[in-house]
Amino acid sequence: DTGVSQDPRHKITKRGQNVTFRCDPISEHNRLYWYRQTLGQGPEFLTYFQNEAQLEKSRLLSDRFSAERPKGSFSTLEIQRTEQGDSAMYLCASSLLSAPSNEQFFGPGTRLTVL
Amino acid sequence: AQKITQTQPGMFVQEKEAVTLDCTYDTSDPSYGLFWYKQPSSGEMIFLIYQGSYDQQNATEGRYSLNFQKARKSANLVISASQLGDSAMYFCAMRDIKAAGNKLTFGGGTRVLVKP
Repeated sequence: DTGVSQDPRHKITKRGQNVTFRCDPISEHNRLYWYRQTLGQGPEFLTYFQNEAQLEKSRLLSDRFSAERPKGSFSTLEIQRTEQGDSAMYLCASSLLSAPSNEQFFGPGTRLTVL
Repeated sequence: AQKITQTQPGMFVQEKEAVTLDCTYDTSDPSYGLFWYKQPSSGEMIFLIYQGSYDQQNATEGRYSLNFQKARKSANLVISASQLGDSAMYFCAMRDIKAAGNKLTFGGGTRVLVKP
């Protein structure tokens, strides 16, 4: 399967712990996005990469959040000192810059629960 | 700033009937794209259909069609011949074509439950 994959699918952690999520985009896609989705809401944009460069960050992305895409392939999203308000589904998406509609293809998400 | 509004939090539809999901948007930019995604209980967002702001024809993809009314700033999704597998959350989203990265702004979603 050549879709977007995310790992882990579920993560339960205690408040104050650090967590890291991984996203593997569709192989030829040069853009990668992170979104956060809380229960009953639509996804909200967090950040995006074009190749290895992080080009935009939402103000939702506090200093406790950091994202990397070291070689322009997979990406990681780390949350330090987790808080209960970080509990959400974290979605990764990728797209091909040259595609006419530039549609984003989403992964299955990582559901984070902070106790 | 862009805004997407989906006013129907939930809908029931009888199997084999058509259903229309409402979406209105607000943007000051003449260049934009509109998307519909389906999110089943498994969580994955599945791309359904795309409409560009300059497209002359309404988009169609199989049983999905987009009723694009530019002057009213609406982009309603029509699902024809509903199937039980259509039960899911549906999100309307907009992309500002000029914005760096073409990030998506999503509405709050509509939950559809198809009854047998």
